[in-house]
Amino acid sequence: EPEVTQTPSHQVTQMGQEVILRCVPISNHLYFYWYRQILGQKVEFLVSFYNNEISEKSEIFDDQFSVERPDGSNFTLKIRSTKLEDSAMYFCASSEASPLETQYFGPGTRLLVL
Amino acid sequence: GIQVEQSPPDLILQEGANSTLRCNFSDSVNNLQWFHQNPWGQLINLFYIPSGTKQNGRLSATTVATERYSLLYISSSQTTDSGVYFCAGYNYGQNFVFGPGTRLSVLP
Repeated sequence: EPEVTQTPSHQVTQMGQEVILRCVPISNHLYFYWYRQILGQKVEFLVSFYNNEISEKSEIFDDQFSVERPDGSNFTLKIRSTKLEDSAMYFCASSEASPLETQYFGPGTRLLVL
Repeated sequence: GIQVEQSPPDLILQEGANSTLRCNFSDSVNNLQWFHQNPWGQLINLFYIPSGTKQNGRLSATTVATERYSLLYISSSQTTDSGVYFCAGYNYGQNFVFGPGTRLSVLP
């Protein structure tokens, strides 16, 4: 069964550094998403991406964050100048043609900012 | 935006028991999903259920869209059912919003 994959599974970085989290959505899916989950809290929407541009974004997704589809398979989340409070699990998800359809989640990248 | 409530926040069961988890939405949603977050943090899709009833093995879910709630039933619970159960909903012009989760512990 096709699945969303994410790399790395864990990342440790120093405060102020830039990190890039990578995702490979399901191949025939057109909508891509990033979510984050701070330890012990609920999952929060960050951004959705369709047709090579941001479709929706939350208040969390400020200028520190950016997303890109650099090639036909990868979808990345870049976090610039990381802060301690960016420590969280970051999930990538994809859906076939619309946010109204099933969203399939990847296994997550656990980011720790020291 | 949409507000999502889940109850109960915590649930402890003996293996073999049945349970019902509830999700309430403040507004109507067009996409509703249930997820199980396992101890490794992975979010596992359980159901896509904007309305109606579905069953998958020991799990079933019912959504009453007109009353803005959904129920997840777990029968004959097993220790592997332990984890956090989230519901999430989406509506036009709004984000996919997750509830705070129900933490389930199934004891052997």
